Amino acid sequence: DIKMTQSPSSMYASLGERVTITCKASQDIKTYLSWYQQKPWKSPKTLIYYATSLADGVPSRFSGSGSGQDYSLTISSLESDDTATYYCLQHGESPYTFGGGTKLEIK
Amino acid sequence: QVQLQQSGAELARPGALVKMSCKASGYTFTSYTMHWVKQRPGQGLEWVGYINPSSGYTHYNQNFKDKATLTADKSSSTAYMQLSSLTSEDSAVYYCARRSVVPMDYWGQGTSVTVSS
Repeated sequence: DIKMTQSPSSMYASLGERVTITCKASQDIKTYLSWYQQKPWKSPKTLIYYATSLADGVPSRFSGSGSGQDYSLTISSLESDDTATYYCLQHGESPYTFGGGTKLEIK
Repeated sequence: QVQLQQSGAELARPGALVKMSCKASGYTFTSYTMHWVKQRPGQGLEWVGYINPSSGYTHYNQNFKDKATLTADKSSSTAYMQLSSLTSEDSAVYYCARRSVVPMDYWGQGTSVTVSS
């Protein structure tokens, strides 16, 4: 199985700050990488797919980058509504595997 | 608008089975695969597998091969997941999620399963 190592596992950031979360795959996943946001007691919401494509309705302050084994999600200017846990998912090879999650809180 | 409406919370005894549903609306049910994801309390996400509602083809994460059974009813646009031989390890929230070009673009609200004697 492909292991997705996500970092950091938790973080605090200030409003307006630029935030970056990373995921490293145990092998090349050829941009088959998505990012999800999950708020407490809610279902995950798709933010980014195929590493860089913004899902419908997602604010442009979210962006994704990466290739090969290394991927990142960036929030260009943190807003209070961004408090959530973020997960990466590789869907290039079965079984699909998620990163361990990053809990993002406002400082 | 696309909606996935999941069935209500389940309380089951160890060793029992549960069957949960995911009713799709707002799109052509047979045109998209349906995936299932497990989330244990306070934990991360784990992919269970998926079903192609058009053909009935299923593909499982090997970790769930003897645990989960995925089915779909085209007439009611409903996907189902049955979990068997329940243990405390199966206590979790289970989500259904549609896959389009976007992997898992729409998600259900989740079904909570609690296994307790």
